[in-house]
Amino acid sequence: QVQLQESGPGLVKPSETLSLNCTVSGGSISDYHWSWIRQPPGKGLEWIGYVYYSGSTNYNPSLRSRVTISVDTSKNQFSLKLTSVTAADTAVYYCARTLELGSSSDYFDYWGQGTLVTVSS
Amino acid sequence: QSVLTQPPSVSGAPGQRVTISCTGSSSDAGALYDVHWYQQLPGTAPKLLIYGNNIRPSGVPDRFSGSKSGTSASLAITGLQAEDEADYYCQSQDTSLSAHVLFGGGTKLTVL
Repeated sequence: QVQLQESGPGLVKPSETLSLNCTVSGGSISDYHWSWIRQPPGKGLEWIGYVYYSGSTNYNPSLRSRVTISVDTSKNQFSLKLTSVTAADTAVYYCARTLELGSSSDYFDYWGQGTLVTVSS
Repeated sequence: QSVLTQPPSVSGAPGQRVTISCTGSSSDAGALYDVHWYQQLPGTAPKLLIYGNNIRPSGVPDRFSGSKSGTSASLAITGLQAEDEADYYCQSQDTSLSAHVLFGGGTKLTVL
């Protein structure tokens, strides 16, 4: 059974960089895409982007200028960095395994429990 | 830029059937890509409910079913149970060349 666990600071100051890790257990990080998805309190889901185990990435255009997602296969881990954060970036951040159905249909079958990151001074 | 539109809320009594719609719109008016559905119980992470429009992952009861036609998709829940009360999200891809992931705004299901 694949399990994902997010880790990182729960509080980040405005204008600083949000950094989170997601550790994958019960399976290899290879041969899959891995995504970050966030959910502001009381609101809906927003896909941030994904990384392939090879390191290639795809980002939400609305966040692309501030986002970096990377993978460390030796640790079975992938990471999110979001720069220049504001209060609007306060959200529960989820990591998720991403499967492809056909050439352009991605979906998420395993999710982490989520971690709340608050942007505040 | 595509948008997926869901009703904010639906409700039904135990044992009834409810449907949740997911309508796509884009500047090119193209058909939706495959649609996937997630159930989010209060305080928990989303759970994959339906993928590829109408495929249930192992362990999902057959009370849940999905369908898609053109620019719309639907999730149907039959034999409604109290534990079905949750938020439901549809998900697909942007129909532009970027094909980025899109989520609908979510629908709150209340079991009366």
